[in-house]
Amino acid sequence: DSGVTQTPKHLITATGQRVTLRCSPRSGDLSVYWYQQSLDQGLQFLIQYYNGEERAKGNILERFSAQQFPDLHSELNLSSLELGDSALYFCASSSGGTNTGELFFGEGSRLTVL
Amino acid sequence: QKEVEQDPGPLSVPEGAIVSLNCTYSNSAFQYFMWYRQYSRKGPELLMYTYSSGNKEDGRFTAQVDKSSKYISLFIRDSQPSDSATYLCAMSPSGSARQLTFGSGTQLTVLP
Repeated sequence: DSGVTQTPKHLITATGQRVTLRCSPRSGDLSVYWYQQSLDQGLQFLIQYYNGEERAKGNILERFSAQQFPDLHSELNLSSLELGDSALYFCASSSGGTNTGELFFGEGSRLTVL
Repeated sequence: QKEVEQDPGPLSVPEGAIVSLNCTYSNSAFQYFMWYRQYSRKGPELLMYTYSSGNKEDGRFTAQVDKSSKYISLFIRDSQPSDSATYLCAMSPSGSARQLTFGSGTQLTVLP
């Protein structure tokens, strides 16, 4: 158990809809990362938050947004969903220190857009 | 062309075999190299971490980095069915996790 909790585990929705994925990082970790994993693209970095502030952006679509709350949990909002957004969405956390590449991943939220 | 290339497999070997998993990369700035293991329906977990060139051994696992060839490898000795998973290489120019670039993963099955 990595200590990172993600909900929901599975989500099925329709095109055009909006969903929110939630992540609770490991106790004490200040950084939260969101990744998208699909069969053809692999694990793609979306966005990072550190202690409530956006720290880095990757290949995140404008239809997607995220935030990190004062209690350090994070939410990823996906709107105007398209079929191609179907994927596994992972949250990961780290202590935020340098000189470590170790990320602790949750079990993911599997999104299916019909 | 992707910055990190990894043969997706699938790779199937008998129990006890030596497994070799590989990644190539194009960004010469990468200095930190990692291997993550991902079991089915789970998130990736860090398996090995190396800095710059050279070898690192941890039990049955050995990670090798050849920066001159931009090539990294993970060897698994005496492979076990419990090693069946997807193995993702990852690399970064700094130690920062936010700069990690992942390979697409190699799916390994070790047959009993």
